[in-house]
Amino acid sequence: EIVMTQSPATLSVSPGESATLSCRTSQSVGSNLAWYQQKPGQAPRLLIYGASTRATGIPARFSGSGSGTEFTLTISSLQSEDFAVYYCQQCNNWPPLTFGGGTKVEIK
Amino acid sequence: EVQLVESGGGLVQPGGSLRLSCAASGFTFSSYSMNWVRQAPGKGLEWVSYISKSSSAIHYADSVKGRFSISRDNVKNSLYLQLNSLRAEDTAVYYCARFRILSDYSYMDVWGKGTTVTVSS
Repeated sequence: EIVMTQSPATLSVSPGESATLSCRTSQSVGSNLAWYQQKPGQAPRLLIYGASTRATGIPARFSGSGSGTEFTLTISSLQSEDFAVYYCQQCNNWPPLTFGGGTKVEIK
Repeated sequence: EVQLVESGGGLVQPGGSLRLSCAASGFTFSSYSMNWVRQAPGKGLEWVSYISKSSSAIHYADSVKGRFSISRDNVKNSLYLQLNSLRAEDTAVYYCARFRILSDYSYMDVWGKGTTVTVSS
């Protein structure tokens, strides 16, 4: 099973600043990694797939990078609606499909 | 509008059973694999089960193997999850999610709002 490690667990950011979230996998997943955003009481929403491709309707301030075992989600110029929990997921070697533990982006 | 709507959650005693449903609309359901993902209160996301388009391939997380059963009806555009021998640790919001499998990448691109399962005496 591929273990996903996200850091930090919580990130405090002021509106307008940028945020950098990290996801590490226990073995290479190539570029087969997705990022999801989840707000309280809502379902997860796909942000990024293939490590760097934005899903339909996702603003350009969200960008993903990385390959192998190290991945990054960058949110530039954070808006109020961006404060949420972000999960990474690998879809390269499964079952099981595995998610990271999440990073909560909160208002500083 | 592409939509997934879960139902069937509720309060059940330990050892009990429940059947969850997920109604799909706005897309050709039979063309997509599907997943169930759950989220315990205050916790992260946990993949539960996968079913291929034609039901020819089915997978389960070790935590539910032998107790849960996934199925689908492509005529009724519906996905199901039969939950048996329920335990307190199965308490969670259960989401169904459409799974896109491309040549190089896969991802869950459409999610329902979830249905809540509470296992308690």
